[in-house]
Amino acid sequence: AQSVTQPDIHITVSEGASLELRCNYSYGATPYLFWYVQSPGQGLQLLLKYFSGDTLVQGIKGFEAEFKRSQSSFNLRKPSVHWSDAAEYFCAVGANTGTASKLTFGTGTRLQVTL
Amino acid sequence: DAMVIQNPRYQVTQFGKPVTLSCSQTLNHNVMYWYQQKSSQAPKLLFHYYDKDFNNEADTPDNFQSRRPNTSFCFLDIRSPGLGDAAMYLCATSRVATSGRAEQFFGPGTRLTVL
Repeated sequence: AQSVTQPDIHITVSEGASLELRCNYSYGATPYLFWYVQSPGQGLQLLLKYFSGDTLVQGIKGFEAEFKRSQSSFNLRKPSVHWSDAAEYFCAVGANTGTASKLTFGTGTRLQVTL
Repeated sequence: DAMVIQNPRYQVTQFGKPVTLSCSQTLNHNVMYWYQQKSSQAPKLLFHYYDKDFNNEADTPDNFQSRRPNTSFCFLDIRSPGLGDAAMYLCATSRVATSGRAEQFFGPGTRLTVL
């Protein structure tokens, strides 16, 4: 069965500093990987996804992520954090159920941004 | 804009009193999902529909049921809510995918409180 580990429960960065959120996955086949962001009391918004091809993927809001198969990782990065980036970030792996994509989420990383 | 809509955004019910949460979509996606997200936890898939084909997760309690009368609407019924069912309930949709590579689009969620 697939699983996702986000080792950092809570991260605090200063506005303007760079950010890296870690994600490790376990999946027997080719992984389909996602990063979602959730603001308090809101649903999940897709930041970016990796299906195949270029291992460095660009997303919305200036985020990017790099897929490293050898390390089973899909870390999220942003060169300069804005105060509005404060939220909960979830990494997920998608698995095939035959007709649907079943997402398994990590436990999330809460990002706090200090001014 | 095409979107996923959940009503109500906030629902308060009494212990043991049946409650129904609603989800609608204008994306015309074949697949609809229901997730439960407890405070500070990752979303957990309860079940999904592929068209009218219902797919229950093995560990979803019998207390949770779902209906999908047409492509656009899906309902989550909690027959006898307990205090442990207080959570955010997220609805999501996706296209049919024969792999895990289907992006899911999430609604804003319904926050359920059980008194």
